[in-house]
Amino acid sequence: AQSVAQPEDQVNVAEGNPLTVKCTYSVSGNPYLFWYVQYPNRGLQFLLKYITGDNLVKGSYGFEAEFNKSQTSFHLKKPSALVSDSALYFCAVRKASGGSYIPTFGRGTSLIVHP
Amino acid sequence: NAGVTQTPKFQVLKTGQSMTLQCAQDMNHNSMYWYRQDPGMGLRLIYYSASEGTTDKGEVPNGYNVSRLNKREFSLRLESAAPSQTSVYFCASSETDRGNGKLFFGSGTQLSVL
Repeated sequence: AQSVAQPEDQVNVAEGNPLTVKCTYSVSGNPYLFWYVQYPNRGLQFLLKYITGDNLVKGSYGFEAEFNKSQTSFHLKKPSALVSDSALYFCAVRKASGGSYIPTFGRGTSLIVHP
Repeated sequence: NAGVTQTPKFQVLKTGQSMTLQCAQDMNHNSMYWYRQDPGMGLRLIYYSASEGTTDKGEVPNGYNVSRLNKREFSLRLESAAPSQTSVYFCASSETDRGNGKLFFGSGTQLSVL
């Protein structure tokens, strides 16, 4: 079975400071990893994905994520947070091959950026 | 450029009533999904349709039925609503269920069952 853990329900950061939203995963074989963002009263929007290759993935709105196979982690990062980054962030994983191709989502982390 | 469209946006039902949530996508995607979102639970898959003509159960299918009406449309039906089905429902689509592609989500339906 595949699973995702987002250990923090909420992350608070001051505007201009770097932010990190944590994600660890469990899947047999190689993973495909995703980050989505949900703004209030909206559906989820794709931010970035890791398929293969470079462990540092760059995505929309200045976000990036680092894949660490040994730690089975895929943390979301941004060098300088904006108030407008405040939203709910979801990490998702699916197997690269074999088994279920449907992604499993984490419980979400609420990011609050203070002015 | 509509993407994934869900109707209605809000609905209040009484226990035992039935209703159908509608979803349509205009991206010519093969695969479509229904999720529910509950506080602290994240997104849980109810049903999905890998391609037109097929449907499969997800993690929490009890109390729901689905119909893949055509390639564009995938509806979710609650035959006899229960308070435990109070949730926000999201429809999503992807090019296929086998690729490495992303999911595209609708804006959601907020359902309250009294």
